[in-house]
Amino acid sequence: SQELEQSPQSLIVQEGKNLTINCTSSKTLYGLYWYKQKYGEGLIFLMMLQKGGEEKSHEKITAKLDEKKQQSSLHITASQPSHAGIYLCGADNQAGTALIFGKGTTLSVSS
Amino acid sequence: DGGITQSPKYLFRKEGQNVTLSCEQNLNHDAMYWYRQDPGQGLRLIYYSQIVNDFQKGDIAEGYSVSREKKESFPLTVTSAQKNPTAFYLCASRTRGTTVEQYFGPGTRLTVT
Repeated sequence: SQELEQSPQSLIVQEGKNLTINCTSSKTLYGLYWYKQKYGEGLIFLMMLQKGGEEKSHEKITAKLDEKKQQSSLHITASQPSHAGIYLCGADNQAGTALIFGKGTTLSVSS
Repeated sequence: DGGITQSPKYLFRKEGQNVTLSCEQNLNHDAMYWYRQDPGQGLRLIYYSQIVNDFQKGDIAEGYSVSREKKESFPLTVTSAQKNPTAFYLCASRTRGTTVEQYFGPGTRLTVT
């Protein structure tokens, strides 16, 4: 079965610094989704990547899918306290019937 | 406003009791999902339904049951057979097909003592 591995597991950065979170799949990705979660709340959709080499940006967050479609990165520029939370990557399962998720990366931003 | 409603936000039960978690959506989505989230474990799929009156087991279905009698509703019952039911439960929905994002509800935190 497909597995998604996220790194790092947790991250503490100083406000204003850049950071990158990685998501690696054991199989080819046909749809890669990034979500953000505040503790104890539901997931908020950030971006979806589908094509090899694709890159999308929203405000200060940029996500990329590598050419081989097995790894994605999420980059935050000039981090702010509002960026703190849990970032999860998800992917369509082999049957295309549901999303599977990585274990998440907990981001803390210190001011 | 369209969205997914989960109730209640917090739920407490005694061991040995069955408990049903509610999930309602008004997004006109065909597919609905239940996930369980434990600290450091990410989201694990319990059950999903692609259409009314049909549902499939996910990776951790043991000790859970669901029904899908209406398009808008997908309740999850945590039975006494679930050995470790204390967790955060998330409901999600999306239109049918792949490469379409899932929308999530606010979650229900279940504590069983």
